Amino acid sequence: QVQLQESGPGLVKPSETLSLTCTVSGGSISSYYWSWIRQPPGKRLEWIGYIYYSVSTTYNPSLKSRVTISMDTSKNQFSLKLSSVTAADTAVYYCARDLRGYGAPDYWGQGTLVTVSS
Amino acid sequence: QSALTQPASVSGSPGQSITISCTGTSSDVGGYNYVSWYQQHPGKAPKLMIYDVSNRPSGVSNRFSASKSGNTASLTISGLQAEDEGDYYCSSYTSSSIVVFGGGTKLTVL
Repeated sequence: QVQLQESGPGLVKPSETLSLTCTVSGGSISSYYWSWIRQPPGKRLEWIGYIYYSVSTTYNPSLKSRVTISMDTSKNQFSLKLSSVTAADTAVYYCARDLRGYGAPDYWGQGTLVTVSS
Repeated sequence: QSALTQPASVSGSPGQSITISCTGTSSDVGGYNYVSWYQQHPGKAPKLMIYDVSNRPSGVSNRFSASKSGNTASLTISGLQAEDEGDYYCSSYTSSSIVVFGGGTKLTVL
């Protein structure tokens, strides 16, 4: 059974960089697409992007200039960095596995709330 | 890329059937058979209920079915049960090679 777990600071100051890590257990991250999705409180889901085979990434154009997704296969982890954050980036951040990269994540982490505030 | 359009809320009584629509454009819903549906309960992660327009992952009840016509996809839940109450989101792959979600629909079981 594949399991995903997000970790990282729950509070980030405006203009700083949000950094989250997703640890995958029960399967290798060397295959499949590994995604980050966020959900501001009371709002809809927003797809951030994914990484495939450690080197291929695709990002939401609305966030592309601020987002980096990377992978550490030795630790079975992938990470999200979002720079120059504002209050609008306050959200629950989910990591998820997408089998084919067409937007149907079948395994999700429980989500972690990141609040942007001074 | 704009969000897909879903009704804000739907409701139904136990045993009834309800349908949730998801409207996009020819650049997303209408252009690809990569529409997915998710169920989300309060404080929980979304759960994949339908992928590739009408396919159910293993373990998802056959009370959940879905289809697509043109730029609009639809999710139907038959034999409504109290546990079906929650938020439902659609998503679609797009011509920009990204994924876009709908605004979400709150299902209330009366």
